[in-house]
Amino acid sequence: ILNVEQSPQSLHVQEGDSTNFTCSFPSSNFYALHWYRWETAKSPEALFVMTLNGDEKKKGRISATLNTKEGYSYLYIKGSQPEDSATYLCAFRSAGNQFYFGTGTSLTVIP
Amino acid sequence: NAGVTQTPKFQVLKTGQSMTLQCAQDMNHEYMSWYRQDPGMGLRLIHYSVGAGITDQGEVPNGYNVSRSTTEDFPLRLLSAAPSQTSVYFCATQGEGANYGYTFGSGTRLTVV
Repeated sequence: ILNVEQSPQSLHVQEGDSTNFTCSFPSSNFYALHWYRWETAKSPEALFVMTLNGDEKKKGRISATLNTKEGYSYLYIKGSQPEDSATYLCAFRSAGNQFYFGTGTSLTVIP
Repeated sequence: NAGVTQTPKFQVLKTGQSMTLQCAQDMNHEYMSWYRQDPGMGLRLIHYSVGAGITDQGEVPNGYNVSRSTTEDFPLRLLSAAPSQTSVYFCATQGEGANYGYTFGSGTRLTVV
């Protein structure tokens, strides 16, 4: 069982603020790192799949970076909006095709 | 396309009862899996399958059985439900290759009393 840690556990930001959170994972046996957005009472939706060290992905105001050598990924949200409120999950995919999820960062954007 | 369809959405069982959670997908994905989600624990893998006729255990397989007779269906069976199995269950599929993420079903909220 691998340890995937996300920080912070939760945060509250004002509308318009930019924010970021971290996913830490083992630097060995790496295959891919996934980010998911999970709204309350819904199922997780894939945001990004990142495979290469130094990868940067962007979708609208949300972007992510990946450092496989030191085992971390950052998710950034620029100009947070209330509709960004959700739990953001990361998942480490090993070379053996096992997935290990973090416990998520719960984001609340206050209007 | 429906994607991943899970049924039922809600279920209450008595301790010792059995039931099957259904999962069907129409994306022709070989990889399917079952997760449970508990507060403070994140998503934990119960069982997974890399294709019809092939299943394997995940992190928390005890108390659950699976089978994969077709590419489309991956049912999860609870043979004798226990209160510790109260949880939200998600079925997920994944396409081939490193650049595909999971597609999740809508979840089943199970309560065992």
